[in-house]
Amino acid sequence: DSGVTQTPKHLITATGQRVTLRCSPRSGDLSVYWYQQSLDQGLQFLIHYYNGEERAKGNILERFSAQQFPDLHSELNLSSLELGDSALYFCASSAPLYNNEQFFGPGTRLTVL
Amino acid sequence: AQRVTQPEKLLSVFKGAPVELKCNYSYSGSPELFWYVQYSRQRLQLLLRHISRESIKGFTADLNKGETSFHLKKPFAQEEDSAMYYCALSGTGANSKLTFGKGITLSVRP
Repeated sequence: DSGVTQTPKHLITATGQRVTLRCSPRSGDLSVYWYQQSLDQGLQFLIHYYNGEERAKGNILERFSAQQFPDLHSELNLSSLELGDSALYFCASSAPLYNNEQFFGPGTRLTVL
Repeated sequence: AQRVTQPEKLLSVFKGAPVELKCNYSYSGSPELFWYVQYSRQRLQLLLRHISRESIKGFTADLNKGETSFHLKKPFAQEEDSAMYYCALSGTGANSKLTFGKGITLSVRP
């Protein structure tokens, strides 16, 4: 167990809806990364937060947003959901800012019907 | 731009056979290379990172900067090695995000 937790495990919702995915990093880790895993796109980096501040953005849609709170947990908000947003969403955490070893959570499987 | 290429989608071998999972990368600088393993769509687990030069579960990988490759090898495959394997690259400094290859499914038959 890497210590990174994500809730919920599964989420089923309808098109047009909004959902929030939650990630708690390992104790002491200040960095949180979000990734999307889909069958057609593979694993894609979405966004990186360090100690509450956004550090880097990847292929994240404007309908998606994230934040990291003072207790270091992070939330990924997905709105106006489309069928193509169905995917496995992982978060990962790492300790020092530029330590590239990332520890992954179990993921949240989002199904948009 | 940084890119990771895993040219094969599937490798099927018999137990005890050697395994080589190929990975090539593109990055203008000194990247850090990783192999992650994913069992049955579970969480990704770090298998190897090139700077540690460790052998995990019998797997090794050598970074070849001339050929920009980081192939994963194991001399004798076991059935429990069956999983999805991802090669990933991370840049330096603030560019710490992981760029993944498409992954390869390793199937080890008894």
